[in-house]
Amino acid sequence: AQSVTQLDSQVPVFEEAPVELRCNYSSSVSVYLFWYVQYPNQGLQLLLKYLSGSTLVKGINGFEAEFNKSQTSFHLRKPSVHISDTAEYFCAVSAHYNQGGKLIFGQGTELSVKP
Amino acid sequence: GAGVSQSPSNKVTEKGKDVELRCDPISGHTALYWYRQSLGQGLEFLIYFQGNSAPDKSGLPSDRFSAERTGGSVSTLTIQRTQQEDSAVYLCASSPIGQGIGYGYTFGSGTRLTVV
Repeated sequence: AQSVTQLDSQVPVFEEAPVELRCNYSSSVSVYLFWYVQYPNQGLQLLLKYLSGSTLVKGINGFEAEFNKSQTSFHLRKPSVHISDTAEYFCAVSAHYNQGGKLIFGQGTELSVKP
Repeated sequence: GAGVSQSPSNKVTEKGKDVELRCDPISGHTALYWYRQSLGQGLEFLIYFQGNSAPDKSGLPSDRFSAERTGGSVSTLTIQRTQQEDSAVYLCASSPIGQGIGYGYTFGSGTRLTVV
């Protein structure tokens, strides 16, 4: 089975500052990794995903994440945040063998960007 | 349709009543998933459909919960004899199997269920 731990439930940050949202996973098999964003009163939207290849993955809105297999981590970063990045961010994992594509999600990190 | 549509967007029901939540996936998406998002919790997997069959219903919390999908399209999640702990946002997602799981999901906006 797989599990995901998002180490921070809330991250407050000032506008134009860098931010890192931490995600660690546990799995006995190879996995695919995802970050989703949920803006207030909206559904979840895919930010980026790691399937294979380069461990540095770039997504929408200037976000990027780095897959670190030895540390079983997939931290999300942005060099300079905007007010509009205020949202909840979810890390998710799916096992390679799971052809149904079931995603296991972390508890979420609430990013609050202040002016 | 252009996206995943869920109805109703909000539902308030009395404890003990039955409720039905509807999900209309993106046309052609063969995989459909239901998740539950409770206050302060992550997303909890409920059930997965491939076409009209449900190969994985391991996340349904009790036998009060059931789901079906017809015509490989619309899905209904039914909660019988609702309890206050059922209050949550119920999210539906669809995915085009065949492109592989790397495609990710497209989520609907959810149904906010409040049991009073």
